[in-house]
Amino acid sequence: KQEVTQIPAALSVPEGENLVLNCSFTDSAIYNLQWFRQDPGKGLTSLLLIQSSQREQTSGRLNASLDKSSGRSTLYIAASQPGDSATYLCAVSGLGGGSQGNLIFGKGTKLSVKP
Amino acid sequence: NAGVTQTPKFQVLKTGQSMTLQCAQDMNHNSMYWYRQDPGMGLRLIYYSASEGTTDKGEVPNGYNVSRLNKREFSLRLESAAPSQTSVYFCASSGGPGPYGYTFGSGTRLTVV
Repeated sequence: KQEVTQIPAALSVPEGENLVLNCSFTDSAIYNLQWFRQDPGKGLTSLLLIQSSQREQTSGRLNASLDKSSGRSTLYIAASQPGDSATYLCAVSGLGGGSQGNLIFGKGTKLSVKP
Repeated sequence: NAGVTQTPKFQVLKTGQSMTLQCAQDMNHNSMYWYRQDPGMGLRLIYYSASEGTTDKGEVPNGYNVSRLNKREFSLRLESAAPSQTSVYFCASSGGPGPYGYTFGSGTRLTVV
């Protein structure tokens, strides 16, 4: 059974710092990995989607990498801003048929960027 | 540009009452999903519909039923609400199982007293 772990559970940094959020998964047979952002009391906003054949994806100040063989992904946020404060969720979908193809989530990293 | 729309946004139920959460997507996606989110537990899949006309159980299906009304709509029903079903419910859709990204609705905050 696929398990997704995110470390750290919470992170507080001063504004302007570059930071890395980590995600690991136990089964490397995945279709893709998706990073989401969730603001308090809100829904999930997709940030980046990395297909299993890709190594990384970039969007603005965000860069996500994928090392499928080691079961790891990192989300790099450059020059962090207070508006980046949110919970960041990592999720993977598996190669198997049926329910294995559904998205499995980590519990998230709560990021706080201090002015 | 609506994406995935959920109704209602908030609901309070008494134990034993029933209700249906509605979800609709306008992206012509094949697959739709219902998740619940609880503190410390993360997001867990309740039911999913890989394509129109099919539904399957996810990780936590007990106490729920679903209907894939058509390609656009996927509803979640609580027949007899229990306090353990107090949660935030999210509907999502994707192009299909596997290689497609998911789009989520804004959620329904349900409290069962």
